[in-house]
Amino acid sequence: QKEVEQNSGPLSVPEGAIASLNCTYSDRGSQSFFWYRQYSGKSPELIMFIYSNGDKEDGRFTAQLNKASQYVSLLIRDSQPSDSATYLCAVGGKLIFGQGTELSVKP
Amino acid sequence: DAGVIQSPRHEVTEMGQEVTLRCKPISGHDYLFWYRQTMMRGLELLIYFNNNVPIDDSGMPEDRFSAKMPNASFSTLKIQPSEPRDSAVYFCASSPHSLYSNQPQHFGDGTRLSIL
Repeated sequence: QKEVEQNSGPLSVPEGAIASLNCTYSDRGSQSFFWYRQYSGKSPELIMFIYSNGDKEDGRFTAQLNKASQYVSLLIRDSQPSDSATYLCAVGGKLIFGQGTELSVKP
Repeated sequence: DAGVIQSPRHEVTEMGQEVTLRCKPISGHDYLFWYRQTMMRGLELLIYFNNNVPIDDSGMPEDRFSAKMPNASFSTLKIQPSEPRDSAVYFCASSPHSLYSNQPQHFGDGTRLSIL
């Protein structure tokens, strides 16, 4: 079992819809969780981090953490074509990354 | 404030040659990380340093890979001898005083390495 797992996608949503990205992790002692966005040919860019169970909102982005289920998700509301990228879930201080989910937002 | 600076941006070399990748972290950051990204394996942590000391090199694939951090503003990742399967994008990242701060890692633009 991989330490951090994501559905590789691609996930395709229409413009204006909610995109839901999911991630599970194996280390029950993990304390910190991050979502990075990576455009093709670019470096990863941090968009959200969460430490506590529950939801954390930042603009159109909401991160959800459930430590009991070892599950973290990212919701993108009012999706825009500019959100089309690969979204990487990362766990822990030294960042163990999932494989990433490719998101495509269709106009 | 300058970000993490990596050089070269692109490197193409023949199998068997020595390759050296360079990284300058953000000033004041205590942690430095080297990652490798491929389509097959995704983004993998190779090694990380704290205050110039290697802390965890368990991700270094084999003895052909070595990393050093002689001072707080410079690190190298060396591959000798290089092989075609080493072809990947290599990222350097740095982070401030704690691995769990709310301003975690900042990535450089990466070095795209091709071994022919």
